[in-house]
Amino acid sequence: DAGVTQSPTHLIKTRGQQVTLRCSPISGHKSVSWYQQVLGQGPQFIFQYYEKEERGRGNFPDRFSARQFPNYSSELNVNALLLGDSALYLCASSRAPDSNQPQHFGDGTRLSIL
Amino acid sequence: AQTVTQSQPEMSVQEAETVTLSCTYDTSENNYYLFWYKQPPSRQMILVIRQEAYKQQNATENRFSVNFQKAAKSFSLKISDSQLGDTAMYFCAFLPRNQFYFGTGTSLTVIP
Repeated sequence: DAGVTQSPTHLIKTRGQQVTLRCSPISGHKSVSWYQQVLGQGPQFIFQYYEKEERGRGNFPDRFSARQFPNYSSELNVNALLLGDSALYLCASSRAPDSNQPQHFGDGTRLSIL
Repeated sequence: AQTVTQSQPEMSVQEAETVTLSCTYDTSENNYYLFWYKQPPSRQMILVIRQEAYKQQNATENRFSVNFQKAAKSFSLKISDSQLGDTAMYFCAFLPRNQFYFGTGTSLTVIP
């Protein structure tokens, strides 16, 4: 079975632009979470979605938004990009948002802001 | 506030030796899960081991084991018989409900 897939793998944008990152969860997984990992740091929680509803949100500005589709795939959108948004964006999926459900991570999208 | 602290930014170990990575966390929650994730240069986060806070018995997965001290809020990872493939960043993670809190990571290098 395919793991969590993210696209694109790399992306270069300039300040002020907008970006959309995509994530396809493992088959059968209905929960998707997004994390931002700045170089040299651990991942920081951005959003969690389950059954197309937002279940949790981290301490990120409103420039960050996400949604989940009926097939449980998800998109993360970031508007008005800043240099500080340069990071690895990780998507993780699980069967449900419960704490005892292991999360499986994708390879991430490397976003560079010039 | 929920925080996770990994006080060892870098560590190294000789192949076949044992190494312990430390992690402490702070929380007012009573029920939660703790994890160690491995992130090799390929960057995919791989689950190494998981511990439920309500279980007193320390989790083990082959060469990997944890020392979980709930009262001290400590969760260390022991890697036995270290292998070259263990070289990676290791992140301690804490899951009180449905949001992960990660530490800053420990870069482990296994020396041949």
